[in-house]
Parts: sequence; structure tokens; C-alpha cells
Amino acid sequence: AQKITQTQPGMFVQEKEAVTLDCTYDTSDPSYGLFWYKQPSSGEMIFLIYQGSYDQQNATEGRYSLNFQKARKSANLVISASQLGDSAMYFCATSEASGTYKYIFGTGTRLKVLA
Amino acid sequence: DGGITQSPKYLFRKEGQNVTLSCEQNLNHDAMYWYRQDPGQGLRLIYYSQIVNDFQKGDIAEGYSVSREKKESFPLTVTSAQKNPTAFYLCASSIDPLDTQYFGPGTRLTVL
Repeated sequence: AQKITQTQPGMFVQEKEAVTLDCTYDTSDPSYGLFWYKQPSSGEMIFLIYQGSYDQQNATEGRYSLNFQKARKSANLVISASQLGDSAMYFCATSEASGTYKYIFGTGTRLKVLA
Repeated sequence: DGGITQSPKYLFRKEGQNVTLSCEQNLNHDAMYWYRQDPGQGLRLIYYSQIVNDFQKGDIAEGYSVSREKKESFPLTVTSAQKNPTAFYLCASSIDPLDTQYFGPGTRLTVL
């Protein structure tokens, strides 16, 4: 069965430093997508970055990059040059093409950026 | 401006009452979704719709109902059968079920 695991319930990072948020997934389908979302205290889920299972290169969007290691089934989010506004919950998610619709979210990591 | 709107932002309900949460999108997306989020938890899928006049149960559909009569709209009714409805409800849409989902601002429902 499709599964997403985020093992870090909380993380701290100093402002202007880089931080890596871990995400591992388990799927039997060769075609899948991996997503990261940010949820600030306001509650809205903000899409950050996407990686397709067949993409050869790691996805990047501004200060966000996705460290995709297919053999290890990991899709870690790297935030460079952390800012105070990066403090939020971060969710990893996956979509799978086989059978019925499946879009699964992890339990999230709470990131706190320190001044 | 394209996006997803949810109303109201905060909703209070007495026990035993049904209540309907609104979700509208002008992104021309075919697929729409409803999620429930409890404090400190991730998202759980309630219902989803891949196309107008069609919808499917998610992981926690009991006590909820939906309709999809228009592409732009996917209202969620929380019925009195839902035992613990106090939660944060998020609506999302996407071009297709495997694509990036875009979320509305959410509705926080409290049962008194």
C-alpha cells in the first residue's frame, strides 16, 4: 500500500542556514508524483515543489529543492538561506497512478526558524 | 485572480445540526477534494470528485455528504451523524487527480 513517512515531528534552524526535511515513501507503482506543501499558522496549504518519478533531475523552485533518491525512496526537501517566514508545518505527499485515485499526505514536520 | 475560496472561515454549530461548507474554484480544474485536519495532525481525505456529477468516498466519509453539480463548486455537508465534527476543513482542486493540488484557506468548524 502507498505510504508516506515524515520522521521529524519538529526541527529548528538558524536564520540564513539551510535545513533538510525528511520524507520517505513506499509505492509499488512505477509512475508517481511527490509534492511538498507548507502550512503556516493561518492554515492554508501552499504548494512548494513537485518531483515526478521519471524526472532525471532534482526539482528546484527558488530556495526550495527536492533531494530525490529513487532507490532509497526518499524525497527530502531542502530549504536554503532560511527566513523567519519559513516557520511553518511542512507536509510531504505522493500521488499514484495505478488503480483508484490515491494522494497521500505525511504527518508533517514543524519547522521553527530562529533569529 | 484565479483561486479557491472557502466560506465561512469560522463556523459554529450546535450538536444535532447539519451544516454546509462552501468551496468554489475558478481555476477550471476538473478534480476537487475535501480534507479534514485535526490539531497537530496531517490531512485525511473525506470525499473527492474527478468530474462533474461524480464523486467518491475517501478514507473518512462517514457522516459527510457532497455534491458536484457544477465544475466550479463542491460543497460539503457535515451531518449530525458525524460524531466528532470539530476540525479544520480544507478544500482543494487540481487539473487531474494526479496533479498538484491547490488549496483554499480552510473553514474551522466548532460544534458547541
